[in-house]
Amino acid sequence: EIVLTQSPATLSLSPGERATLSCRASQSVSSYLAWYQQKPGQAPRLLIYDASNRATGIPARFSGSGSGTDFTLTISSLEPEDFAVYYCQQRSNWPQGMYTFGQGTKLEIK
Amino acid sequence: QVQMQESGPGLVKPSQTLSLTCTVSGDSINNGRYFWDWIRQPAGRGLEWIGRVYSSGTGYSPSLKTRVTISLDTSKNQFSLRLTSVTAADTAVYYCAGAIGYHDFWGQGTLVTVSS
Repeated sequence: EIVLTQSPATLSLSPGERATLSCRASQSVSSYLAWYQQKPGQAPRLLIYDASNRATGIPARFSGSGSGTDFTLTISSLEPEDFAVYYCQQRSNWPQGMYTFGQGTKLEIK
Repeated sequence: QVQMQESGPGLVKPSQTLSLTCTVSGDSINNGRYFWDWIRQPAGRGLEWIGRVYSSGTGYSPSLKTRVTISLDTSKNQFSLRLTSVTAADTAVYYCAGAIGYHDFWGQGTLVTVSS
């Protein structure tokens, strides 16, 4: 099973600052990596798919990069609504599926 | 826009079977465009993919495959999850989700507690 490790566990920043979140895979996942945002009491929302593509309706301040084992989610200028938990996810074994998630990074207001 | 809603008992006794249904609206569950997945999240913890059903088969997490069955009911535009022999470790919010490559659409989630 591919393990995803996210860092940091918690990131404390202020609105307007730049956020950089990392996700490392235990083996190569090529570009089959997604990022999700989850707010308290809500389901996750897909932000980025295939490492660098924004999902429908996602603001341009969210960007993803990386391939192989190292990936980054960048939020260029934090808005108040961006403070949430972020998960990375990899997919494999198409089409039967096998997905694993990272443990999450909590982005909190400093 | 696809919308999804989970339903089922919120409390299940240990050793019994957890059964949940996801009702899909806004598209046909039989259109072949989407995979229909279940994902769970214990309180305060991360996300775990359980498995999926699609037009030509199913797929399950290796850690759960001996206890899980996911099936389609095209007449009702629903799909279902059965998880047998539950323990307290199966207590979680259960989400149904629709996926193309990744999970584009989610239900709001339903809390299932395993307790006697």
